[in-house]
Order: sequence, then structure tokens, then C-alpha cells
Amino acid sequence: SAVISQKPSRDICQRGTSLTIQCQVDSQVTMMFWYRQQPGQSLTLIATANQGSEATYESGFVIDKFPISRPNLTFSTLTVSNMSPEDSSIYLCSVVASGRVGELFFGEGSRLTVL
Amino acid sequence: GENVEQHPSTLSVQEGDSAVIKCTYSDSASNYFPWYKQELGKRPQLIIDIRSNVGEKKDQRIAVTLNKTAKHFSLHITETQPEDSAVYFCAASLTGGFKTIFGAGTRLFVKA
Repeated sequence: SAVISQKPSRDICQRGTSLTIQCQVDSQVTMMFWYRQQPGQSLTLIATANQGSEATYESGFVIDKFPISRPNLTFSTLTVSNMSPEDSSIYLCSVVASGRVGELFFGEGSRLTVL
Repeated sequence: GENVEQHPSTLSVQEGDSAVIKCTYSDSASNYFPWYKQELGKRPQLIIDIRSNVGEKKDQRIAVTLNKTAKHFSLHITETQPEDSAVYFCAASLTGGFKTIFGAGTRLFVKA
């Protein structure tokens, strides 16, 4: 398994500001993913965070809005830039643990509220 | 890209009854199909999964079936208990969990 710590767990932000979410894993993992889960909704894949290269973004998500860093095999950050109320959501970091066929382990999520 | 559809969106059953949730996927390249359970305010957790080379898999009260030809897979929960109440998500991905795409979710209520 993998233990994932996310910070902050929640925050209230002002429109137009940016916030960086940190994700720390207790073991080295090849793939890290960032998901968004709006209230009562499903999980939407934002991007795959690649170590040593740029993140791979899904349709509808762009680097300028959601810049991602992946400096090593245990850490990643997601920044939500120039926030608007529509960005209010839970952001989840997830990984596939070493030796697992594809099971995703999730962090506890970061609940952002944009006023 | 992959698209996963899930039905029903809400399911209410009496304790002890069975519950069935169905999903379809669009990308024939997908070869790994996990099911996640998310309790209120908690993170999603895997409850069972199936790979494309298997038609059925069972783990105690939970079973999953896969029809690759029709691109359908289903979750079956027998002898439901109140603690089974949660949101269940099906998902489809490529090998290793790459690009895991989730269905819309099914909110299961088990009435005591």
C-alpha cells in the first residue's frame, strides 16, 4: 500500500488568488495523479505528474491554470491559479503503489472553497 | 479518450438483499477495471478489481463480472448490510492504473 499526505486539508481562498497543494508519499512511486471531485460528483482526472518531465494534462485542463511539479518520486504539487468560485472542489492526489497492478491510493483530499 | 458510464445513480435496497451496479466503457484498450467505495467525507478505496483476461472475480459478498465483447462490467453485492451504504465508483484504465477514468458513481442505501 501507500500512505499519502496532502496539505492543506482545506482552505478558503479569495477569487483571483492561487493556492498550491502538496502531496507527499511514503514510498517512491512512478505515477502520481491529480483528481478533482466537485461536491456530490465523480472523480475527474486533471493530469498525470511525471517525474523529470512536464505533466500530462487531460482534456479541459491546462498547465497555466493547474501547474504541477514533480521534483522526485515521492512528492508533487498542484497549483490552482487565478481561482474562481467554480474551482471550489476537493482535489485529490493519488498514486499506484509499487507492485500493484493498477490500484489507486488516494490522499485525504484538499477541500478548497473560493469566495 | 475513455468514457465510463455507470447506472443506476442511486440504489436503495433492504438489508439482506442484493445490489447490482452496471458500467460500460468505450475504449477497447482499457484492460483494468477497479471498483472503489467512498464513504461520506472519506477518500475512495478499492474494494475489488478485475483484469481483462478474467470474466469474473469474487471476494466474499462482492463479485465483479466483465464482458469484454460488450464492454460491460458489473458489481454484485450480496447479503447487503447497512455498512455497505456508500458511493461506489467503477473505473477503467490501461495497465498500471494509467489514465484511470471513473464512472459517475452510484449512491447505495441499505435500509435496516
